[in-house]
Amino acid sequence: NAGVTQTPKFRILKIGQSMTLQCTQDMNHNYMYWYRQDPGMGLKLIYYSVGAGITDKGEVPNGYNVSRSTTEDFPLRLELAAPSQTSVYFCASSRTPGTVSYEQYFGPGTRLTVT
Amino acid sequence: QQQVKQSPQSLIVQKGGISIINCAYENTAFDYFPWYQQFPGKGPALLIAIRPDVSEKKEGRFTISFNKSAKQFSLHIMDSQPGDSATYFCAAGYTGTASKLTFGTGTRLQVTL
Repeated sequence: NAGVTQTPKFRILKIGQSMTLQCTQDMNHNYMYWYRQDPGMGLKLIYYSVGAGITDKGEVPNGYNVSRSTTEDFPLRLELAAPSQTSVYFCASSRTPGTVSYEQYFGPGTRLTVT
Repeated sequence: QQQVKQSPQSLIVQKGGISIINCAYENTAFDYFPWYQQFPGKGPALLIAIRPDVSEKKEGRFTISFNKSAKQFSLHIMDSQPGDSATYFCAAGYTGTASKLTFGTGTRLQVTL
């Protein structure tokens, strides 16, 4: 199993550009999450999904959009990139809570710079 | 509003020593408290977790101590090794819903020889 994979690893965007961060998991997890990590700030939840076709906002959703058309994929869309979106983005997945454990499995991250 | 406060921000411990990282939470509805370990350039990985019905959980050299009345929990790393050098995040969440986690701000641990 590859686990959670993210592409690209690095990206530089100009202000106002848009892009999609890709996330795929091969563990058949229903739950998926997007976080951003800023220095000294921990991880902040952007969006999450409890299954295909179901998404909801986390703590910091402004400036982002998500979709979940399949169990495996959970892309994060940035529209009109701003310098405040410079961050490291992590995708994670987990089993349905209460089934086995509540562990979230994280991908390797995408480092995004907006200039 | 920060719901999980973590300290210290950084920690230097000699090899063989005990590393202690503390977290405090505000929301008494939280019922799941994991610790994640993150190495540079990698995503976080679950290290150990505890539910509030126990006061301590030990896995190898890693122990979580939990004080429900004080709304605090801590990670103890016994016999710290250079390979333990990483950033550690505490978190708190709800097991009944989407397992959404609120993370602390992280502690960068350096274990010296």
